[in-house]
Amino acid sequence: GEDVEQSLFLSVREGDSSVINCTYTDSSSTYLYWYKQEPGAGLQLLTYIFSNMDMKQDQRLTVLLNKKDKHLSLRIADTQTGDSAIYFCAVNTDKLIFGTGTRLQVFP
Amino acid sequence: DAGITQSPRHKVTETGTPVTLRCHQTENHRYMYWYRQDPGHGLRLIHYSYGVKDTDKGEVSDGYSVSRSKTEDFLLTLESATSSQTSVYFCAIMAGGTDTQYFGPGTRLTVL
Repeated sequence: GEDVEQSLFLSVREGDSSVINCTYTDSSSTYLYWYKQEPGAGLQLLTYIFSNMDMKQDQRLTVLLNKKDKHLSLRIADTQTGDSAIYFCAVNTDKLIFGTGTRLQVFP
Repeated sequence: DAGITQSPRHKVTETGTPVTLRCHQTENHRYMYWYRQDPGHGLRLIHYSYGVKDTDKGEVSDGYSVSRSKTEDFLLTLESATSSQTSVYFCAIMAGGTDTQYFGPGTRLTVL
């Protein structure tokens, strides 16, 4: 079955850029998503990218998709303390498969 | 929040007791899902529904059953709760043309 992997932790200084990476195994995915989860809350959709796109930009967020390497990344520009959360990538084949999440810590 | 509520938000129960979690949506979406979230596993699909009385199993369905008698409500039942079912449970709906799922606030269940 589909396997989606993420690194567990990322720590960045406020104002720097954050890059969260995700790799997946099934190339038949149609949409790929990034969700954000703050403590004690549900998952909030941040953005998504269609599988025939290479890049999508949405304000401070940039999603890059490398289909050849099956690699998805989320770049957050000018990272703020409010960006501290767990970030999940998810890949849609016939079901939505989630990575294990990357905990982003932003320090002043 | 896509009009999704979950109840209860927190529950503590004992091993062997039945538990029912409720997911309620206000926007008439056809597809609804139940996931569990555990450290190191991300979210895993338990069951899903594609219409009233139409349900199917997900990746981790053992020990769980679901029912959907109305479009707006999707119930998850643990017939006899076990400690391994201690988890945070999320309901989701699918909306829009991009197959995007939107999540409820979650139910934290502790089985002692």
